[in-house]
Amino acid sequence: DAGVTQSPTHLIKTRGQHVTLRCSPISGHKSVSWYQQVLGQGPQFIFQYYEKEERGRGNFPDRFSARQFPNYSSELNVNALLLGDSALYLCASSLGRAGLSSYNEQFFGPGTRLTVL
Amino acid sequence: AQKVTQAQTEISVVEKEDVTLDCVYETRDTTYYLFWYKQPPSGELVFLIRRNSFDEQNEISGRYSWNFQKSTSSFNFTITASQVVDSAVYFCALSEAKRAQKLVFGQGTRLTINP
Repeated sequence: DAGVTQSPTHLIKTRGQHVTLRCSPISGHKSVSWYQQVLGQGPQFIFQYYEKEERGRGNFPDRFSARQFPNYSSELNVNALLLGDSALYLCASSLGRAGLSSYNEQFFGPGTRLTVL
Repeated sequence: AQKVTQAQTEISVVEKEDVTLDCVYETRDTTYYLFWYKQPPSGELVFLIRRNSFDEQNEISGRYSWNFQKSTSSFNFTITASQVVDSAVYFCALSEAKRAQKLVFGQGTRLTINP
């Protein structure tokens, strides 16, 4: 079975531009989460989507937005790019929402490396 | 607020040495999950282990072992008889049960195993 896939692998943009990153979850997974990993740091949570609705948002500006499609794939959009947006963007998928007594394992994709010049 | 601290930024050892990676966490929830992930140079996060806050039993998997102590809010990771293939960045992470899909990661520890 295919794992989580992300496209593109690498991307170079200039300041002020807009970018769209794509993620396809593992078949059967309905939840997708996005993380930003700046060089030398741990990943930071950006969004979680489940059943096409936003279920969680991290501390990121409104320039960051996302959506989930009926086939559960997801897009992350970043407007008005800044140099500080240069990072590895990771997507993770899981079966569904976790509860107090259960946890749905998250599986990470290989990431999209975004460079903003 | 949730926080994970990995005080060791970089560790370098010679192959076959044992090495312990430290992780200290903060949370106000009584139900939470703790994780370790490995990130090789390719960038993909590889899941190693998850522990539930109610289960303080230590775990061993081959050369890997984990020591979970709620009294000190620590979840340390030991590699026994290290190998060059263990070289990677290792992340400790925490999620609170109410927001279980949100992982809070530490800064990571870069582990280099020298032949």
